[in-house]
Amino acid sequence: AQTVTQSQPEMSVQEAETVTLSCTYDTSESDYYLFWYKQPPSRQMILVIRQEAYKQQNATENRFSVNFQKAAKSFSLKISDSQLGDAAMYFCAYYSGGGADGLTFGKGTHLIIQP
Amino acid sequence: DTAVSQTPKYLVTQMGNDKSIKCEQNLGHDTMYWYKQDSKKFLKIMFSYNNKELIINETVPNRFSPKSPDKAHLNLHINSLELGDSAVYFCASSQDLPGTQYFGPGTRLTVL
Repeated sequence: AQTVTQSQPEMSVQEAETVTLSCTYDTSESDYYLFWYKQPPSRQMILVIRQEAYKQQNATENRFSVNFQKAAKSFSLKISDSQLGDAAMYFCAYYSGGGADGLTFGKGTHLIIQP
Repeated sequence: DTAVSQTPKYLVTQMGNDKSIKCEQNLGHDTMYWYKQDSKKFLKIMFSYNNKELIINETVPNRFSPKSPDKAHLNLHINSLELGDSAVYFCASSQDLPGTQYFGPGTRLTVL
């Protein structure tokens, strides 16, 4: 079974600084997808970024970018120019690409933004 | 124009009761899901439905039963509620981009 590990239960960063959240996963599949979801205190799950395993280029969405290392099974999220609104739980998730499989989530990282 | 909606957002009930949570998506997606988020914020898939067919059931007690009257709806029925069922339940849907799922706002269930 696939597993997703987020080793940082909590991270803190100063406003306007850059922070990197770590995620590793375990799979025997060659074709899969990886995601970062954000859950603010409102508890709404918001898709931040998506990466296809067959693409070597790292995905980028405005201030959010990933460092995808397929051989190392690592998928970290970098947030540049951190803003107060970035404060949330961040979940790394894995999808194997088979039919209607659900997402496998990591345990999350609580990101605190200090003004 | 909420894409995935759930009702109710909060549900407080007594042990032993039967309750339902409704989910509707207006995205035209073929697949819908239910996830459970426990008190430690861990999210785990419970069910998924594709074209009215149950695809996966991740060791969920049979007190939980998903029901899909049509492609846009996937309701969650829970019988004989237990204290351990207290959690936030999320509905989600997907279609276009593989794996990309759109979540509802969640239903916080509290069993007393």
